[in-house]
Amino acid sequence: DTGVSQDPRHKITKRGQNVTFRCDPISEHNRLYWYRQTLGQGPEFLTYFQNEAQLEKSRLLSDRFSAERPKGSFSTLEIQRTEQGDSAMYLCASSSGLFEQYFGPGTRLTVT
Amino acid sequence: KQEVTQIPAALSVPEGENLVLNCSFTDSAIYNLQWFRQDPGKGLTSLLLIQSSQREQTSGRLNASLDKSSGRSTLYIAASQPGDSATYLCAVRPAGDDKIIFGKGTRLHILP
Repeated sequence: DTGVSQDPRHKITKRGQNVTFRCDPISEHNRLYWYRQTLGQGPEFLTYFQNEAQLEKSRLLSDRFSAERPKGSFSTLEIQRTEQGDSAMYLCASSSGLFEQYFGPGTRLTVT
Repeated sequence: KQEVTQIPAALSVPEGENLVLNCSFTDSAIYNLQWFRQDPGKGLTSLLLIQSSQREQTSGRLNASLDKSSGRSTLYIAASQPGDSATYLCAVRPAGDDKIIFGKGTRLHILP
């Protein structure tokens, strides 16, 4: 297994467009997390899944954000009507139960 | 509400020196504490994880300690090398919670 992967690695989009990111966790990890990191800050929790169930969403996750993990494997994070304030690094992590979280390389989003 | 603070925000030291990075957290009810490394524009690499019942963990030139009652952790790096230059992030998993809370990180620069 090669670890957590994310696609794309970089995304540049114009304000108002929709974007979708994908995360493939370590196989057999039942928990998958999304975090957002802005410049000079630590990552902030957005949402997480246990298998296919979305168990918690941060208040940072506005109505424009939606995440899915349809078969309990990969996950997608969609941002509708992007705003410049959405520019950030979006990080995905996975874990087996409550053990160590392993992070992917991130998707850097730039909204122009 | 759990808050994580890292001091200093940035640190420059000559190659070969031993150094200590500090992390403090406001609520001692934690499940574990994790130290990460992040290179510019990259994802997070887990360095050490300390369970709440443990006092320290070691990996190569790295040693992390945990004093849960005082809400403090330190990351000790021995014989620093230019390749150690990166941002180091401290994160805690609050007891009864599934997400982890990050500090803002310490930017470390090792001078050749």
